[in-house]
Amino acid sequence: GNSVTQMEGPVTLSEEAFLTINCTYTATGYPSLFWYVQYPGEGLQLLLKATKADDKGSNKGFEATYRKETTSFHLEKGSVQVSDSAVYFCALKRGAQKLVFGQGTRLTINP
Amino acid sequence: EAGVAQSPRYKIIEKRQSVAFWCNPISGHATLYWYQQILGQGPKLLIQFQNNGVVDDSQLPKDRFSAERLKGVDSTLKIQPAKLEDSAVYLCASSRTRSGGYNEQFFGPGTRLTVL
Repeated sequence: GNSVTQMEGPVTLSEEAFLTINCTYTATGYPSLFWYVQYPGEGLQLLLKATKADDKGSNKGFEATYRKETTSFHLEKGSVQVSDSAVYFCALKRGAQKLVFGQGTRLTINP
Repeated sequence: EAGVAQSPRYKIIEKRQSVAFWCNPISGHATLYWYQQILGQGPKLLIQFQNNGVVDDSQLPKDRFSAERLKGVDSTLKIQPAKLEDSAVYLCASSRTRSGGYNEQFFGPGTRLTVL
């Protein structure tokens, strides 16, 4: 079945550091890929998405590129801020099938 | 536009008791989802409604969990009787339609359930 694996957390960085959160997936066909973010006390929010190979999703300085050859969708940001502290979830969806989430990666940014 | 509303935000119960969660989706959203998020895991879909009909409840433990969506708007999720392993955050989400293309799901803040 479809599955998503994220890098283990928690991840702690200093402000303005470069961020990478790894995500790999297993799926048949060509799923759409997503990153969701969950800020403390809030619901999940869609951060960015990519629907086909080599697409790059971007939002709020975050980027992720759909790499079919490596079945990956790593999240990156060049310079993180304290306000980026949250839990990040990688997810996939194939057609009308359900959203499948990774286990989440907790990110803490220290000033 | 108001977001997805859920209540209560927190609930603590003893095992074998019953509990109910309520969700009010974004106005006009035909599709409603209930997810279970166990600590340290990603959300897992329990049930999906399209208007007031069930689309997918394959991962709903039907011996103890039930859900309904009266009139295709609000929804309630019930657990009876609760077990220790039901301790989790229960998330409600809604989206505009269930078509094959992706329609963004908007999530509520969740209800944190603790079963003692």
